[in-house]
Amino acid sequence: NAGVTQTPKFQVLKTGQSMTLQCAQDMNHNSMYWYRQDPGMGLRLIYYSASEGTTDKGEVPNGYNVSRLNKREFSLRLESAAPSQTSVYFCASIFTNRANNYGYTFGSGTRLTVV
Amino acid sequence: DAKTTQPPSMDCAEGRAANLPCNHSTISGNEYVYWYRQIHSQGPQYIIHGLKNNETNEMASLIITEDRKSSTLILPHATLRDTAVYYCIVRANNAGNMLTFGGGTRLMVKP
Repeated sequence: NAGVTQTPKFQVLKTGQSMTLQCAQDMNHNSMYWYRQDPGMGLRLIYYSASEGTTDKGEVPNGYNVSRLNKREFSLRLESAAPSQTSVYFCASIFTNRANNYGYTFGSGTRLTVV
Repeated sequence: DAKTTQPPSMDCAEGRAANLPCNHSTISGNEYVYWYRQIHSQGPQYIIHGLKNNETNEMASLIITEDRKSSTLILPHATLRDTAVYYCIVRANNAGNMLTFGGGTRLMVKP
């Protein structure tokens, strides 16, 4: 049981390049989330998917797009990377609408540097 | 989600209990109190959550006041590996509700 798997773990992009961050969970969770964490800061929500087939904006969605490919996979795409998007990106998943859910499970993060 | 207030940092001696407070005076009746921690450079880790009653698991205990306006996370025997940032979050268990992370408490466990 791997939990939440993120790829890649590290990435360096040039300004203007595009890339997709991948996230997959094997816990049959219905909701998935993308967060970013800047140095010394808390996590901020970029986008989330409450269930397969739905996506919604979070606190800081500008410059990003997402795809809930199926129940397991939720990808985050940077169409034209900017230095301000240098950050650590975390994917998370959870069962929602369950009284006894045991909280979010987070991936180990993708460290992205845009130069 | 209700706003939470935590001290920015705390120290604890190794082997002693670490008591981390959290104020959430505007919590709603259907909101749970969650605690997560983040060890340097890793993804946040779920610790414990509760609604009204005190909770205990293999990692920690959660004490929620009767009026639910504050809570305390207790690590009964802190170790050096418990050094981390601890986040207190209140959240209702609805599909669209995300975790809103504040600044957290940076706990330093010292030998």
